[in-house]
Amino acid sequence: KQEVTQIPAALSVPEGENLVLNCSFTDSAIYNLQWFRQDPGKGLTSLLLIQSSQREQTSGRLNASLDKSSGRSTLYIAASQPGDSATYLCAVRRMDSSYKLIFGSGTRLLVRP
Amino acid sequence: GAGVSQSPSNKVTEKGKDVELRCDPISGHTALYWYRQRLGQGLEFLIYFQGNSAPDKSGLPSDRFSAERTGESVSTLTIQRTQQEDSAVYLCASSFPGEMAGNTIYFGEGSWLTVV
Repeated sequence: KQEVTQIPAALSVPEGENLVLNCSFTDSAIYNLQWFRQDPGKGLTSLLLIQSSQREQTSGRLNASLDKSSGRSTLYIAASQPGDSATYLCAVRRMDSSYKLIFGSGTRLLVRP
Repeated sequence: GAGVSQSPSNKVTEKGKDVELRCDPISGHTALYWYRQRLGQGLEFLIYFQGNSAPDKSGLPSDRFSAERTGESVSTLTIQRTQQEDSAVYLCASSFPGEMAGNTIYFGEGSWLTVV
């Protein structure tokens, strides 16, 4: 059974810091991994999608890496801003049920001005 | 529309009443998903549609929950005889066909259900 874990559960940093969010999964047979952002009272916004054959994806100040063999992904946020405050979720799409995303429980990020 | 649209955005209902939640996916997206998120918890998969059929209903928590989709477009999630533990945000998402696993999944803003 695929399990997705995110560490830390919560993180508070001063504005301007670079930070790393971690995601681990137990079954390396995945199609892809997706990072989402969720603001309070809102739905999920897709940030980055990494295919299983890829090692990383970049979008602006965000960089996501994938090490499928070790079951790990990281989301790197450069020069954090208060507007980055949100919950960040990672989700994997399993190889044997490619339609279903399995989510981690998220990291709640607070960037202090 | 430009994104996944869900209605109602908020619903307060009395225990024992039935509720219907609606999802309008992105035009052209044949895959549609329902997830549930209880307060402070992660997302639970409920059901997946490919076109109008639902090959995976494994996440529906009880027979009080049902869903349908018509015209490969709108989907309705129905909860009968609501219980307090049904209180959650119900999120709908859509994408191109599920077997095209490279495709990004897009989520709506959710329907926030409170059962009192």
